[in-house]
Amino acid sequence: DQQVKQNSPSLSVQEGRISILNCDYTNSMFDYFLWYKKYPAEGPTFLISISSIKDKNEDGRFTVFLNKSAKHLSLHIVPSQPGDSAVYFCAAKAINRDDKIIFGKGTRLHILP
Amino acid sequence: GAGVSQTPSNKVTEKGKYVELRCDPISGHTALYWYRQSLGQGPEFLIYFQGTGAADDSGLPNDRFFAVRPEGSVSTLKIQRTERGDSAVYLCASSSGTRVDTQYFGPGTRLTVL
Repeated sequence: DQQVKQNSPSLSVQEGRISILNCDYTNSMFDYFLWYKKYPAEGPTFLISISSIKDKNEDGRFTVFLNKSAKHLSLHIVPSQPGDSAVYFCAAKAINRDDKIIFGKGTRLHILP
Repeated sequence: GAGVSQTPSNKVTEKGKYVELRCDPISGHTALYWYRQSLGQGPEFLIYFQGTGAADDSGLPNDRFFAVRPEGSVSTLKIQRTERGDSAVYLCASSSGTRVDTQYFGPGTRLTVL
């Protein structure tokens, strides 16, 4: 049972346009959400996070939106750049579990020239 | 070092053999995590150390898997009687151990069991 779901295995976006990656979760105990970016042959790299007490967090070109009632979050990248081509993992932590991060399966983002 | 390092980067072994995978966390990080990433999946939690002790080993799939961190720094993940289904990338991460601290990942060890 996937507690964190990324239903789009891949996404292609024109350079300069907005990339929107979506994520849904099922566990109501999740209170902290993260996005990681992964290049081939490298480990995941932390990108941006959001606490459940917020509905938006912005860092440069990256913005994460959280809709708790829908158990949905999204990552917006504006403008998209070639170096953004990677696999993006949505992840979550639960209130009573300080340790483990639960990851989705990832979405492969292709930025087209 | 500057980041989390893992050795070896690749390990090929035969079914039934024993393997050890090593993780060197970021200096000063008290928390260390092991994850496993199978093809087409996201990283899956295995075990978490706070200092020398395993605070949560609920993700270890069975008793063939064991991990240690004897001095609170380097950790070794040990797999006995390897099976073909153990083939995956094993990722190690470390953090300073606060509730919402970022986990920094190493490049992983790709384990292939023939």
